[in-house]
Amino acid sequence: ETGVTQTPRHLVMGMTNKKSLKCEQHLGHNAMYWYKQSAKKPLELMFVYNFKEQTENNSVPSRFSPECPNSSHLFLHLHTLQPEDSALYLCASSQGLAAYNEQFFGPGTRLTVL
Amino acid sequence: GQQLNQSPQSMFIQEGEDVSMNCTSSSIFNTWLWYKQDPGEGPVLLIALYKAGELTSNGRLTAQFGITRKDSFLNISASIPSDVGIYFCAGSRGNFGNEKLTFGTGTRLTIIP
Repeated sequence: ETGVTQTPRHLVMGMTNKKSLKCEQHLGHNAMYWYKQSAKKPLELMFVYNFKEQTENNSVPSRFSPECPNSSHLFLHLHTLQPEDSALYLCASSQGLAAYNEQFFGPGTRLTVL
Repeated sequence: GQQLNQSPQSMFIQEGEDVSMNCTSSSIFNTWLWYKQDPGEGPVLLIALYKAGELTSNGRLTAQFGITRKDSFLNISASIPSDVGIYFCAGSRGNFGNEKLTFGTGTRLTIIP
């Protein structure tokens, strides 16, 4: 238990569906992250939020829409996804953005797009 | 973009053996991190390195920040079954700035009975 929870743990969706991934951290951190983990590829940073403000969008397609209503919650809204978007989506949080702040990861949501 | 080459991609060892893996980059990094990911879980930080030449231990794990700042090494001594998992290196060009992490592709460690 890292203090970062993600729901759902597994999600299967069609290309025309709209779904949302949720992340919650109980660590009092100020920064939250979305990563994509595909088989045999490095973790890819998608979005970074610090004090609810987006500080990084790593050229992510608009079919992924993040939302950070407060420092404890982070959402990833999904719509009209493609099969190649199937992956493990990991949320992380840290006290701040500097590299010396350890990032704590959630268990991930395993997404399958049919 | 920056890439981290991690090797080996996979290792099959017997319990009690020592393990070595490394990570190299074409660019200089000022922070090196080593994570472990268990099945069904997210990565967990094992060791953080912030200075070239630094050697840091965490139990049976020892990691080194290469003197050129372009590589890092992780060693596991006397492996046990719970060491099974995927080990990732990660680097950042900054220590105190908002530099994002670049991750390696991982080394999958399997212990043969």
